[in-house]
Amino acid sequence: GDSVTQMEGPVTLSEEAFLTINCTYTATGYPSLFWYVQYPGEGLQLLLKATKADDKGSNKGFEATYRKETTSFHLEKGSVQVSDSAVYFCALTPMEYGNKLVFGAGTILRVKS
Amino acid sequence: NAGVTQTPKFRVLKTGQSMTLLCAQDMNHEYMYWYRQDPGMGLRLIHYSVGEGTTAKGEVPDGYNVSRLKKQNFLLGLESAAPSQTSVYFCASSKTSRGTDTQYFGPGTRLTVL
Repeated sequence: GDSVTQMEGPVTLSEEAFLTINCTYTATGYPSLFWYVQYPGEGLQLLLKATKADDKGSNKGFEATYRKETTSFHLEKGSVQVSDSAVYFCALTPMEYGNKLVFGAGTILRVKS
Repeated sequence: NAGVTQTPKFRVLKTGQSMTLLCAQDMNHEYMYWYRQDPGMGLRLIHYSVGEGTTAKGEVPDGYNVSRLKKQNFLLGLESAAPSQTSVYFCASSKTSRGTDTQYFGPGTRLTVL
């Protein structure tokens, strides 16, 4: 079945460090890919998305590229801030219609000042 | 424009008790969803609705019922709560069923079943 695998956390970085959170997926067809972020005590917010191969999603300095050949959608940021501390979820919708998100387990990011 | 709201924010139940979680959205979205979030497992879909008066099962529907009597509201019910239903519950909505569409999430309800 469709699934998403993320790197386990927590990931602990110093402020201004480079961030990579790995995400790989298994899906039939042509899924759309998403990164959601959950700040402490809040619900999930869409961070970025990509809907077809080679698309790059970007927002707030975060980027991820839809790589069909490696079935990956890794999240990157060049310089993290303390305010980026949160849980990051990689997710997909496996079909063109039928908007049912399949989530990875989430990766906790902690940024130290 | 409040987006997606959920009530209550926290609840503690005893085994066998019942309760209803309320989700409301003011974005005129057709599609609404209930997820549960458990440590190390991400979010899993419980039930969803494709419009007023229609509901369908998701990945983990057992022990839950839902109703969508009004377009803006989506209720999740637990008829006889069990400790395995201790979780954080999130409601979400989307405008369409397209896989590219964004889902908007509420702040969550933390439920503990003793």
